[in-house]
Amino acid sequence: ETGVTQTPRHLVMGMTNKKSLKCEQHLGHNAMYWYKQSAKKPLELMFVYNFKEQTENNSVPSRFSPECPNSSHLFLHLHTLQPEDSALYLCASSHPSAGNEQFFGPGTRLTVL
Amino acid sequence: GEDVEQSLFLSVREGDSSVINCTYTDSSSTYLYWYKQEPGAGLQLLTYIFSNMDMKQDQRLTVLLNKKDKHLSLRIADTQTGDSAIYFCAELGGSQGNLIFGKGTKLSVKP
Repeated sequence: ETGVTQTPRHLVMGMTNKKSLKCEQHLGHNAMYWYKQSAKKPLELMFVYNFKEQTENNSVPSRFSPECPNSSHLFLHLHTLQPEDSALYLCASSHPSAGNEQFFGPGTRLTVL
Repeated sequence: GEDVEQSLFLSVREGDSSVINCTYTDSSSTYLYWYKQEPGAGLQLLTYIFSNMDMKQDQRLTVLLNKKDKHLSLRIADTQTGDSAIYFCAELGGSQGNLIFGKGTKLSVKP
């Protein structure tokens, strides 16, 4: 247990569906991240939030829409996705302490049909 | 640009030492990390090293940093079958405090 939880763990959706991924951290961190992990590619940073403010959008298509209502919760809203969006979506959080370690959730395995 | 490179596979016998290597390009990185990912799971932070150190030891894990060559390694002593996983090297290199990851090295431990 890393203190970062993600739901759902698995999600299958059609291209016309709308769904949301949820991340929650119980570590008192002020920064939260969304990463995408695809097969045979390095983890790709998608979004960064610091103190609920989005500070990075790494050229992510608008069909991915993040939301950070408070420092403990992060959502990723999905709509009209493509099959190539199928991947493991990982949430992480960190605190600007000496090591700035990022703690990851278990991920949501997304399959887009 | 920022880039982190790792070999993709490593196979060792149980009880041997494993050495996973990584090279990075951003010489200004202040921290470098090793994460472990088991099948179906997220990333677990194993250890990290500050850039002004050249070695860090934590139980069976030894991290070596050669800052001149921008080379990082993770040595796992007395490797066990439970160590089989993908190991990711990462540097703190993004402008927003994000990590730049390598593609991961899949460690297979044979009994």
